[in-house]
Amino acid sequence: GQQVMQIPQYQHVQEGEDFTTYCNSSTTLSNIQWYKQRPGGHPVFLIQLVKSGEVKKQKRLTFQFGEAKKNSSLHITATQTTDVGTYFCAGPSFGNEKLTFGTGTRLTIIP
Amino acid sequence: NAGVTQTPKFRVLKTGQSMTLLCAQDMNHEYMYWYRQDPGMGLRLIHYSVGEGTTAKGEVPDGYNVSRLKKQNFLLGLESAAPSQTSVYFCASKSGQGPQPQHFGDGTRLSIL
Repeated sequence: GQQVMQIPQYQHVQEGEDFTTYCNSSTTLSNIQWYKQRPGGHPVFLIQLVKSGEVKKQKRLTFQFGEAKKNSSLHITATQTTDVGTYFCAGPSFGNEKLTFGTGTRLTIIP
Repeated sequence: NAGVTQTPKFRVLKTGQSMTLLCAQDMNHEYMYWYRQDPGMGLRLIHYSVGEGTTAKGEVPDGYNVSRLKKQNFLLGLESAAPSQTSVYFCASKSGQGPQPQHFGDGTRLSIL
């Protein structure tokens, strides 16, 4: 079945440093979604990428979809304490009936 | 709007007991999902529904049953709880076909002793 892997599993950064998480799928994806889960909270949708090579920005967050539509990345510039949490990518399966979530990257910030 | 509401928020069960987790959404969404989240394993799909009266198996369905008698509700049942089912359970919904975002409830923390 479809597998979605994320690296790294954990990342500890000093506040103000940059952060990147990478997502790799075993199959070509029609689209990819990113979610953020704060400690003790629930996943919250951040963004969706559809086109090959697409780049989208949300303030300090930059999302990229690979040319082959099998990988994606999330880059955060100048991290802040509010960025703490686990970031998940998710790819569709069975058309768009369901999502396969990556294993997530847990970001902690050292003040 | 409440969005997606899960009941209860916490529960402790003994091995062999049964219980039902309730998920209710007020967004008129067609699709609903039950996930479990365990440390280091991300979100794994248990069962899902693409509309009232329908259910389908996800990645880890064994030991669970579901029902979607009403469009707004999706129930997850554990007939005979096992310690391996200790987890955080999330319900989610989305509006319909196509690449729509999923909206999650706050989760139910379930411990099986």
